[in-house]
Amino acid sequence: AQSVTQLGSHVSVSEGALVLLRCNYSSSVPPYLFWYVQYPNQGLQLLLKYTTGATLVKGINGFEAEFKKSETSFHLTKPSAHMSDAAEYFCAVSDNNAGNMLTFGGGTRLMVKP
Amino acid sequence: KAGVTQTPRYLIKTRGQQVTLSCSPISGHRSVSWYQQTPGQGLQFLFEYFSETQRNKGNFPGRFSGRQFSNSRSEMNVSTLELGDSALYLCASSLDPGPTDTQYFGPGTRLTVL
Repeated sequence: AQSVTQLGSHVSVSEGALVLLRCNYSSSVPPYLFWYVQYPNQGLQLLLKYTTGATLVKGINGFEAEFKKSETSFHLTKPSAHMSDAAEYFCAVSDNNAGNMLTFGGGTRLMVKP
Repeated sequence: KAGVTQTPRYLIKTRGQQVTLSCSPISGHRSVSWYQQTPGQGLQFLFEYFSETQRNKGNFPGRFSGRQFSNSRSEMNVSTLELGDSALYLCASSLDPGPTDTQYFGPGTRLTVL
């Protein structure tokens, strides 16, 4: 069975500061990893995904994540936070046996202080 | 291209009633998945449909059912509603099943059970 743990249900950063949202996964087979963002009263939007190949993945809005197999991690970073980044972020895992089923972490609410 | 649409956006029902939620995928997308989002349980996979066939089902009671039509539109039904069914129900569509195809989420239907 797969699982995802997001450390920190709430993260607060100042505008312009580094954003680091942590995600660790558990999977018995090679994983596919995703980060989604959810703004209030909206659905989920894909930020980036890792399937195969390069372990450093760049996404939209300046976000990137690095797949580290030895650490079973897929942390999300952005060098400089913007007020518009305030939202909830979800890490998710899937694999070739799971079809379209995504297993999500509990989410991290990012707050950006001016 | 229009995104995933879900109707209705908001719904209020009472315990014991049943409800049907609708999802129209992005044009050309053939795979539809449903998720339930609650503050307590987070995002949980309900089911996945492709070519009118349920390919995968999450760990939900039989009161939760769904179907997909030949035009790829999907509906989910919850019978004998319970208070705990209050949630945001999200639909996602992708071109084909499989984790490498990006899933696009709709805005969700917020169901309140009184």
